[in-house]
Amino acid sequence: DGGITQSPKYLFRKEGQNVTLSCEQNLNHDAMYWYRQDPGQGLRLIYYSQIVNDFQKGDIAEGYSVSREKKESFPLTVTSAQKNPTAFYLCASSIEGSGNTIYFGEGSWLTVV
Amino acid sequence: GDSVTQMEGPVTLSEEAFLTINCTYTATGYPSLFWYVQYPGEGLQLLLKATKADDKGSNKGFEATYRKETTSFHLEKGSVQVSDSAVYFCALTPNSGYALNFGKGTSLLVTP
Repeated sequence: DGGITQSPKYLFRKEGQNVTLSCEQNLNHDAMYWYRQDPGQGLRLIYYSQIVNDFQKGDIAEGYSVSREKKESFPLTVTSAQKNPTAFYLCASSIEGSGNTIYFGEGSWLTVV
Repeated sequence: GDSVTQMEGPVTLSEEAFLTINCTYTATGYPSLFWYVQYPGEGLQLLLKATKADDKGSNKGFEATYRKETTSFHLEKGSVQVSDSAVYFCALTPNSGYALNFGKGTSLLVTP
């Protein structure tokens, strides 16, 4: 089945550690995105990528890093520099072009312990 | 910058009641407008979309019309069901952009 797969679903991180969230899509989409969701704040854009080997910062990129070495993969690393990383993280993808539908994965819960 | 404002919840309705969730936007040019739905613990699913003024998006009994004169994209459903309980997000993509700008979401609870 076509779709977007995020892993792990639940992740616990100790303070000071980096952690990487995986996102894979088999929809042949060019663009991929990472959003963060906090209660009562909607979704905020962390990073997005329109093509392989290229990506841009979103509204809240500080403390995060990404790579786009393959079209189908867009992993997100939450670094120790991110002061409040506990949140629900959503990966998404779309075909190229403004106004096209963006499709979401099931999300990953990250908790700092 | 481009932004979306939607009514705050939670909204609580009885089954078969009429639903309206207000959404207004600020944008230059002609954004595309979307409604997404999120069930507990899950990702977002596209509910409906409209890409130009006066377009009506519809799906599963939900409707929304792209009103440029009032910069609005209100979500409506004539008769809600318990299974419609979820969080609803209004969003836009700018005229020349890709990524979605989201409202803060409106939680809907439908009681039997």
